[in-house]
Amino acid sequence: GQSLEQPSEVTAVEGAIVQINCTYQTSGFYGLSWYQQHDGGAPTFLSYNALDGLEETGRFSSFLSRSDSYGYLLLQELQMKDSASYFCAVNTGANNLFFGTGTRLTVIP
Amino acid sequence: DAGVTQSPTHLIKTRGQHVTLRCSPISGHKSVSWYQQVLGQGPQFIFQYYEKEERGRGNFPDRFSARQFPNYSSELNVNALLLGDSALYLCASSLNSGFKTQYFGPGTRLLVL
Repeated sequence: GQSLEQPSEVTAVEGAIVQINCTYQTSGFYGLSWYQQHDGGAPTFLSYNALDGLEETGRFSSFLSRSDSYGYLLLQELQMKDSASYFCAVNTGANNLFFGTGTRLTVIP
Repeated sequence: DAGVTQSPTHLIKTRGQHVTLRCSPISGHKSVSWYQQVLGQGPQFIFQYYEKEERGRGNFPDRFSARQFPNYSSELNVNALLLGDSALYLCASSLNSGFKTQYFGPGTRLLVL
């Protein structure tokens, strides 16, 4: 079977840094994506890692370790608008994208 | 440029009926993928179409079908609706096949009674 594990909920303070982890066990691996979804909204693409290492895009960074089947999303200088659900998703190959169950991030003042 | 558009936004059907959902990708994008998202869960991959051909299929029954038109818009059809088909149906477009960067539409919320 295939599985992606993320924490279900994370709470952090405005201005702080938060890390959301994702471990995966899939039949194939082509890359790891991260999406943000506000309540009632559509998922928004944040980042994609195909190779080991860190990718940085503004306040967001994403890391991948293929040998550990592990990745994380790092959000810096948290803002209230960052409160949302965050999903990791694995491109398993054979044209299939498998999503985790999501991490609900709550940013408090 | 307009983003991904989907229609209708909301739909109520009864068990056993059929439904057609529509998606228009971002101009220039040739790939459309469909996902089902049940409340509180992550999106589940249903289909991917690229250049009018099916390139990927998730673990969904044959009641689900889709097609892509010459203008790259797409339809998702679901036959013999079940209560469990109630969900948000999302369409995502990308330039090429694959899943590196996808842009999602607002979704169609389907309720089956």
